[in-house]
Amino acid sequence: DAMVIQNPRYQVTQFGKPVTLSCSQTLNHNVMYWYQQKSSQAPKLLFHYYDKDFNNEADTPDNFQSRRPNTSFCFLDIRSPGLGDAAMYLCATSYRGYEQYFGPGTRLTVT
Amino acid sequence: LAKTTQPISMDSYEGQEVNITCSHNNIATNDYITWYQQFPSQGPRFIIQGYKTKVTNEVASLFIPADRKSSTLSLPRVSLSDTAVYYCLVGFDTGGFKTIFGAGTRLFVKA
Repeated sequence: DAMVIQNPRYQVTQFGKPVTLSCSQTLNHNVMYWYQQKSSQAPKLLFHYYDKDFNNEADTPDNFQSRRPNTSFCFLDIRSPGLGDAAMYLCATSYRGYEQYFGPGTRLTVT
Repeated sequence: LAKTTQPISMDSYEGQEVNITCSHNNIATNDYITWYQQFPSQGPRFIIQGYKTKVTNEVASLFIPADRKSSTLSLPRVSLSDTAVYYCLVGFDTGGFKTIFGAGTRLFVKA
């Protein structure tokens, strides 16, 4: 019954080595979000897609990119991870801004 | 986007009713109020959403006064497993489906 799936659950990457996190959904929702959550902090919205329209938050670093090839899948690319990018990355979906369904998250470690 | 203000933390005992109030003075006409629960190392989980007056589901009630500048999440008879962070969000179909999480309220339920 998994509705929002994130892979991998744990990712270790080296400083500066590109990494891609993936998210898939079975809900057919038109909106998909990526959040970054650091320890003891609230989730911080990085960007979201409304269908194919990409909406970047003003303070999201250029180091973070996203792709949404179809309704079901969305990817988060970190081009050159720094130590400060270690965090939990959460994917969520919603239909027209109603309740969001979150995935379990991917915990990224940068060594 | 309307900014939300919540207490940083609350303590309660098992079996008690817990009320968490969120202030959102700049709420817009089209905004809904949504509450999420988050356990450590998990994605947030939707609890309840409302627009005005009172909404009740199987886990919580949401009270919204007529001016909608605040809302109160009510958790009846909490248990140890309700220990979590609770987030109040305000927004809907505004700003391109942006959602901003406030700092959240850390609820600790004691035996």
